[in-house]
Amino acid sequence: KAGVTQTPRYLIKTRGQQVTLSCSPISGHRSVSWYQQTPGQGLQFLFEYFSETQRNKGNFPGRFSGRQFSNSRSEMNVSTLELGDSALYLCASRDRVNTDTQYFGPGTRLTVL
Amino acid sequence: GQQLNQSPQSMFIQEGEDVSMNCTSSSIFNTWLWYKQEPGEGPVLLIALYKAGELTSNGRLTAQFGITRKDSFLNISASIPSDVGIYFCAGIRNGNKLVFGAGTILRVKS
Repeated sequence: KAGVTQTPRYLIKTRGQQVTLSCSPISGHRSVSWYQQTPGQGLQFLFEYFSETQRNKGNFPGRFSGRQFSNSRSEMNVSTLELGDSALYLCASRDRVNTDTQYFGPGTRLTVL
Repeated sequence: GQQLNQSPQSMFIQEGEDVSMNCTSSSIFNTWLWYKQEPGEGPVLLIALYKAGELTSNGRLTAQFGITRKDSFLNISASIPSDVGIYFCAGIRNGNKLVFGAGTILRVKS
């Protein structure tokens, strides 16, 4: 099976812009979670989607949003970008909500100038 | 911020040595996971632990779920250069959200 794929791998934006990141889970996996990784804060949970519904949400401002499509692909959007949003954004999928084994994609490296 | 205390922060060891790292928390977790991350890649799951006291091995890696459910450790035996990377512990309470430790940077001298 192909692994979790994320596009784009690298992105450079300026403050105030918005950005959309995409994640395709492993085939058959219906749960997708998003994480932000920074040197200062480490890996932090953003949100999780299962069957097009947000199941869990982390402690991030409303500028961070996501959605999931019927084919389980997910997108994450960040509006009004700030310098502090520069990070590696990771997506992880699993086959059932109650299975803890999450498989991560390679991430999207976002740089905000 | 982090809710898991992972130590050590970094290690620089000689090839062939054994490595030990651990994670502790003030909270109880139902599941402990250990991941390895290499530059430019996402974390890769190494070992998953589901029961207090459980000891699980994956090749040269051994991990244990602490009896109190508030800690876990990972051992790597006979380290080799490709063990280099950042090792993360992660815990799950209810709701299936992963909470990560800050990571242990492992460097191996050959």
